[in-house]
Amino acid sequence: DGGITQSPKYLFRKEGQNVTLSCEQNLNHDAMYWYRQDPGQGLRLIYYSQIVNDFQKGDIAEGYSVSREKKESFPLTVTSAQKNPTAFYLCASSIDSNTNEQFFGPGTRLTVL
Amino acid sequence: GEDVEQSLFLSVREGDSSVINCTYTDSSSTYLYWYKQEPGAGLQLLTYIFSNMDMKQDQRLTVLLNKKDKHLSLRIADTQTGDSAIYFCCRGSQGNLIFGKGTKLSVKP
Repeated sequence: DGGITQSPKYLFRKEGQNVTLSCEQNLNHDAMYWYRQDPGQGLRLIYYSQIVNDFQKGDIAEGYSVSREKKESFPLTVTSAQKNPTAFYLCASSIDSNTNEQFFGPGTRLTVL
Repeated sequence: GEDVEQSLFLSVREGDSSVINCTYTDSSSTYLYWYKQEPGAGLQLLTYIFSNMDMKQDQRLTVLLNKKDKHLSLRIADTQTGDSAIYFCCRGSQGNLIFGKGTKLSVKP
């Protein structure tokens, strides 16, 4: 089954701790994306990667970091510098950076206590 | 104002048609998309329209595009309770997607 997976579905962390959210795809897509969703805010782009070993900041990158060491994996670290990290995080991928159609994972809900 | 705007809520009765409207400011996008998000889930691509088209129909879904007015709409015929979700309008921009805030569709039995 081809698809994009995120784990875990729910994540709880104490304030001040870094936390890494997983995103894996077996669609052989070059481009991957991380979005944050808050109620009534729609989706906001955190980081995106057009190809392995390359990534770019999105609109709200502060307090986040990413890596793209493998084509199929694009983990997102929420650092303690992120002021308001509690949110729903969505990962997506597309065939390449010129293709707008994106496929989304099921999301991870992060709650910082 | 926002790049892509949608009303936040829509309520319809089961069996009626739903029309979700969207306006955008930048007309350079080649494609415009509608995504559906069910509670607690990721986004699912529903349909899309190429910018040189003015209408696209796919079973119960009809997309209308008015390029002059920068207005996009999604019509769902014979709306069912399973259509209750948040619907996002978005436009493509240099490989990325610019999303509206989403319209929450509630379907009453």
